[in-house]
Amino acid sequence: EAGVAQSPRYKIIEKRQSVAFWCNPISGHATLYWYQQILGQGPKLLIQFQNNGVVDDSQLPKDRFSAERLKGVDSTLKIQPAKLEDSAVYLCASSLVAGASSYEQYFGPGTRLTVT
Amino acid sequence: KNQVEQSPQSLIILEGKNCTLQCNYTVSPFSNLRWYKQDTGRGPVSLTIMTFSENTKSNGRYTATLDADTKQSSLHITASQLSDSASYICVVTGGVSGGYNKLIFGAGTRLAVHP
Repeated sequence: EAGVAQSPRYKIIEKRQSVAFWCNPISGHATLYWYQQILGQGPKLLIQFQNNGVVDDSQLPKDRFSAERLKGVDSTLKIQPAKLEDSAVYLCASSLVAGASSYEQYFGPGTRLTVT
Repeated sequence: KNQVEQSPQSLIILEGKNCTLQCNYTVSPFSNLRWYKQDTGRGPVSLTIMTFSENTKSNGRYTATLDADTKQSSLHITASQLSDSASYICVVTGGVSGGYNKLIFGAGTRLAVHP
């Protein structure tokens, strides 16, 4: 079974520039998550999709971050404009079902973003 | 406030030795607790998941315990190997929001196993 795919793996941009990350979840997984992991910290949920609808985006800085999951499969996360404090690893995860908390979340390898 | 705290922040042990990592949480309502291993440059991978009624769960050389009364969990690693060098993250599911359980992550314990 293929895992969660993310691209790019690394990205370096200057502050005020824009950047987009892509995630392809495990086939058949209804729920997709984007996390931000700052060095030395645990992941922080940015947004959770159930199919193509948003379940939780309470911690998404909506003035600069946006995400979409068209057709309930792939997802993109965009930052515009980027700030220095956005430097982090952005993890995408998917699970078969949301709400049923026993279902496992599978994480992708992450995209390491450096904002200079 | 729903929180997960882990200790120690970092730990260095010699290959072959045992170690125990701690996790304390204040998450309500509680659904389950997971331990993840995160290798450098990779996403977290699940080691164990325990519900309220489970006290112990093993996965090879990894043994997790849960005391739901004191809201504490531990991850014990036996006969450590160099490949155990990673961050270990405690995650508690609960704190229901809008009908969906939230995953609350600890900051992790960074373990280094030296030869």
